[in-house]
Amino acid sequence: TQLLEQSPQFLSIQEGENLTVYCNSSSVFSSLQWYRQEPGEGPVLLVTVVTGGEVKKLKRLTFQFGDARKDSSLHITAAQPGDTGLYLCAGAIQAGTALIFGKGTTLSVSS
Amino acid sequence: GAVVSQHPSWVICKSGTSVKIECRSLDFQATTMFWYRQFPKQSLMLMATSNEGSKATYEQGVEKDKFLINHASLTLSTLTVTSAHPEDSSFYICSARDPRTGIYEQYFGPGTRLTVT
Repeated sequence: TQLLEQSPQFLSIQEGENLTVYCNSSSVFSSLQWYRQEPGEGPVLLVTVVTGGEVKKLKRLTFQFGDARKDSSLHITAAQPGDTGLYLCAGAIQAGTALIFGKGTTLSVSS
Repeated sequence: GAVVSQHPSWVICKSGTSVKIECRSLDFQATTMFWYRQFPKQSLMLMATSNEGSKATYEQGVEKDKFLINHASLTLSTLTVTSAHPEDSSFYICSARDPRTGIYEQYFGPGTRLTVT
């Protein structure tokens, strides 16, 4: 059983479109992180959310943590080819413990 | 920001041999490091939690005698794959928490591609 369900698994869109990636769980997390990973490299941290209902923005990326701290979303506005990559959500049940990863969303943005 | 390095970045070894992978925190001290493995087109799976000065905690299904973890200093953890077999071929990634940035974030190394022939 996957503790963190991430969807969609694959997403192929045109430049300029908007998209949302979801990360859902039945468990409460102390924090959720979003990472982006390029092929052959380690994940790079994009954002950490810790407070229920929290919204963080990073340029064209908007991250939201659900009120109950069981889910999170990543919204990209006006996607660009440079956004192409594997996006991973990861959470810690308790602060400071190992991260549990979702299965990831492979995003492809074509020009 | 926190920097984590891994060495080597890729390694090819013959079946039955052992290979050691190093994970270093370059600009901070990490009391805890984590080891993950990732198969092609899949997500990261936690293998073990490495604590400085004590035994590692392994996830269910991970053979501790096959994947030896040593965390002898606050900046170095090593993963040794003993008697490697082709099914051990994978992308191994370590991460560490930077205590300066709080208790939530983890920073990942660039990964080590292991191929066992």
